[in-house]
Amino acid sequence: SQQGEEDPQALSIQEGENATMNCSYKTSINNLQWYRQNSGRGLVHLILIRSNEREKHSGRLRVTLDTSKKSSSLLITASRAADTASYFCATVNGGGADGLTFGKGTHLIIQP
Amino acid sequence: DAGITQSPRYKITETGRQVTLMCHQTWSHSYMFWYRQDLGHGLRLIYYSAAADITDKGEVPDGYVVSRSKTENFPLTLESATRSQTSVYFCASGDWDTQYFGPGTRLTVL
Repeated sequence: SQQGEEDPQALSIQEGENATMNCSYKTSINNLQWYRQNSGRGLVHLILIRSNEREKHSGRLRVTLDTSKKSSSLLITASRAADTASYFCATVNGGGADGLTFGKGTHLIIQP
Repeated sequence: DAGITQSPRYKITETGRQVTLMCHQTWSHSYMFWYRQDLGHGLRLIYYSAAADITDKGEVPDGYVVSRSKTENFPLTLESATRSQTSVYFCASGDWDTQYFGPGTRLTVL
């Protein structure tokens, strides 16, 4: 069952601009993760934020988590052409078969 | 090289045939996972394994069989392939907090 829902489904911006993607989920979580998928490749783990954290940074990535609104955002600053990819949020709520569920993704295109 | 590999990368088969997709990891991760990725559905968990000889169902296990006799290998078998199993299949290893994905197998069932 789908837990995370990314928004927007697609996003096109100019190189150098910031890109923001959102993820909403339905039930309580232990943590939320963001993954990147380049065309024709497997997913790559970007960052994890735990339910007791509000913000986390990793290089040009900034993730926020609002458990009261059941939402998260991923901000990519100073975008580059190489950031063109699909981005997925995945939520963990205890492990097991229902433990990690992925959203359908946001397709990000960085225009040179 | 260290990492996670899948074979074959592309496979075309016919309805009713048995197909086995292979997954091999060199990290000695305890957990391994199989997902399928379809347009409109995102990634869905088929089966996972917590250790050798321990497997469990995910969200969409019907029509699939897995085994894990060795920590490093986690093959996925479609016992009698159906057109609805046409998909891209990803194997991953790691744990529930961080998963490392293979390059995927694109399977077409005619």
